[in-house]
Amino acid sequence: QSVLTQSPSASGTPGQRVTIFCSGSSSNIGSNNVYWYQQLPGTAPKYLIYRNNQRPSGVPDRFSGSRSGTSASLAISGLRSEDEADYHCATWDDTLGGWVFGGGTKLTVL
Amino acid sequence: EVQLVESGGGLVEPGGSLTLSCTASGFTFTNAWMSWVRQAPGKGLEWVGRIESITDGGTIKYAAPVKGRMNISRDDSNDTLYLHLNTMKPEDTAVYYCTRDDGWGMDVWGQGATVTVSS
Repeated sequence: QSVLTQSPSASGTPGQRVTIFCSGSSSNIGSNNVYWYQQLPGTAPKYLIYRNNQRPSGVPDRFSGSRSGTSASLAISGLRSEDEADYHCATWDDTLGGWVFGGGTKLTVL
Repeated sequence: EVQLVESGGGLVEPGGSLTLSCTASGFTFTNAWMSWVRQAPGKGLEWVGRIESITDGGTIKYAAPVKGRMNISRDDSNDTLYLHLNTMKPEDTAVYYCTRDDGWGMDVWGQGATVTVSS
């Protein structure tokens, strides 16, 4: 079982806005930055959002992140077929002394 | 181009051991903190360990499931990171990713090395 909780699946139609949620606790999301990774089928994860809401160079502004309390979310607006992927949240856990991940959310573009 | 390339994956019998290598290029490896993350078939990502840069102290941390069985090391002269895992179990079967873990999250990932533990 993953330390962070994500819904296993999400879906949307092209052009829609979809939000993926990540839930943790005071020892992880509640006190540390959240990161999001996009994993296209058969490929390595890609750095998508860092420090809760920052986008690395090259990531479209359709992707946005936020953190509140012990939860975080990733929003994707103007959904496109190429956004179909697994999305993983991650943060540092002060109690465990290491990085923890959510179980991943599989996004389907209908 | 910033790049990480893993090698050394393969089939290992239960109880056996394996060493993975990760060669870095395009950035100053000596200054980088590095982590290993694994992904079991059909499962999510699992962090297994991190090594700081030698200049920052070289501290190594391991996740509970591998502590005592895993050793992470680095050869800064060859820009290479290593992962050695012994007493391997079927649940160690996964794709192992090398990542740069540098204060801004794990921002660079290798393509992954597949490890299968089976008799």
